[in-house]
Amino acid sequence: AQTVTQSQPEMSVQEAETVTLSCTYDTSESDYYLFWYKQPPSRQMILVIRQEAYKQQNATENRFSVNFQKAAKSFSLKISDSQLGDAAMYFCAYKGGRETSGSRLTFGEGTQLTVNP
Amino acid sequence: NAGVTQTPKFQVLKTGQSMTLQCAQDMNHNSMYWYRQDPGMGLRLIYYSASEGTTDKGEVPNGYNVSRLNKREFSLRLESAAPSQTSVYFCASVYRWDPQTSQYFGPGTRLLVL
Repeated sequence: AQTVTQSQPEMSVQEAETVTLSCTYDTSESDYYLFWYKQPPSRQMILVIRQEAYKQQNATENRFSVNFQKAAKSFSLKISDSQLGDAAMYFCAYKGGRETSGSRLTFGEGTQLTVNP
Repeated sequence: NAGVTQTPKFQVLKTGQSMTLQCAQDMNHNSMYWYRQDPGMGLRLIYYSASEGTTDKGEVPNGYNVSRLNKREFSLRLESAAPSQTSVYFCASVYRWDPQTSQYFGPGTRLLVL
């Protein structure tokens, strides 16, 4: 079974600075997808960024980028120029590439990010 | 489009009571999911329905039952609620098996079992 681990329960960053959230995973599959979700106090789950395991290039979405290290099974999220609105719980998630996986997501424990003005 | 909707938003139950959490999506999605979120544990899959007419157990199915009523609706039932089922419950859906597609989530139902 796949597992996802986020070893940082809490992180903080100063506004306008850069922060990196860590995520590691364990899988025996070669084809899979990784996601970062943001959950603000409203509890709504918002997709931040996704990465296909077969792509070597790291995904980027505006101020959000990932460092995907397939051999190390590591998938970290970097937030540049942090804004107050970035304060939220962040979840790393894994999805297998096979149809038999039913598009199921496996989540990490979450990292609570605080942005200080 | 309303997306994924869940009712109720908040519910208090006494131990042993039963209730059904409702979920509906208007995006013509094939697959639907129920997760629970507990502090320090992330979201864990309870049950899912890959397509209309099928349901499968997830990681933590004990104490729950589900019904895929039609393509739009997927309900979660607690037959005899226990304090350990105090949690926030999320419903999610996705159009079809598409590995690049992320799931769409509802706003969540907060359940307190006394």
